[in-house]
Amino acid sequence: DGGITQSPKYLFRKEGQNVTLSCEQNLNHDAMYWYRQDPGQGLRLIYYSQIVNDFQKGDIAEGYSVSREKKESFPLTVTSAQKNPTAFYLCASSATGGLPPYNEQFFGPGTRLTVL
Amino acid sequence: KNQVEQSPQSLIILEGKNCTLQCNYTVSPFSNLRWYKQDTGRGPVSLTIMTFSENTKSNGRYTATLDADTKQSSLHITASQLSDSASYICVVNSNSGYALNFGKGTSLLVTP
Repeated sequence: DGGITQSPKYLFRKEGQNVTLSCEQNLNHDAMYWYRQDPGQGLRLIYYSQIVNDFQKGDIAEGYSVSREKKESFPLTVTSAQKNPTAFYLCASSATGGLPPYNEQFFGPGTRLTVL
Repeated sequence: KNQVEQSPQSLIILEGKNCTLQCNYTVSPFSNLRWYKQDTGRGPVSLTIMTFSENTKSNGRYTATLDADTKQSSLHITASQLSDSASYICVVNSNSGYALNFGKGTSLLVTP
C-alpha cells in the first residue's frame, strides 16, 4: 500500500454522528485525495489537497469535510449531513507537477464505514 | 462528459487460461491511461501506465495496449493464477494534473 496508512480498517457509526477517518503518508507527496467507492461504481472524488492548508471540493463533497494542517496527514470527517455514508473510503497521494508517471496516485488500504 | 467504460463487468476463467479486459474512453484531451488491480477490501495498486505515444506495455504476465485513435485499451493476462482474482480498474487522466476518470472495473475470478 505504498507508504499510505488509513485507520481504522472498519468503522461503525450510528446515524447522526460525525466520524473522522485518518490518512497518513510518508512518501513526501504534496497532493492527497479522498475517494468514495460503492459496489459496482467507479471511484468518486470527495476532496483533494495539493498543498498544506489548502484543499478543494471534488465531485461529491456534500456532507464531508477535510483539513490539511500537515503535509503527511489528510483526515476526512463524515458528517451527519451525509445522507448515505456507508461505503468504502480510499485515500491517495501523489507528487505534484512533472509528467506521468511522476504524478501517479498511490492508494491506501481503505476504511469501510458502516452506518447502523 | 468524460467517460470510461469497461467490459466485461465480470469474468470467470480457469487457472492457467488467458483473458483480455477492455476499456473504452471518451476523455479528452488525453494524457495517460492506467490499469489498477484492486483486491477485495484493499486499495488499488498500479499495474501499468501508458501515455499517448505508447502502444504496448508489459508488467510480468500483464500486457496493456493502447489505441489512442480509437480511444481503446486492453489488459491481457497470460497464464492466469488464483491470485489474479481481483477487480481491474481502468483510469484515464485528461491532463497532467489531478483529475482522474475511473471505470467501474472488471471483476475477475480465477478458479482451480
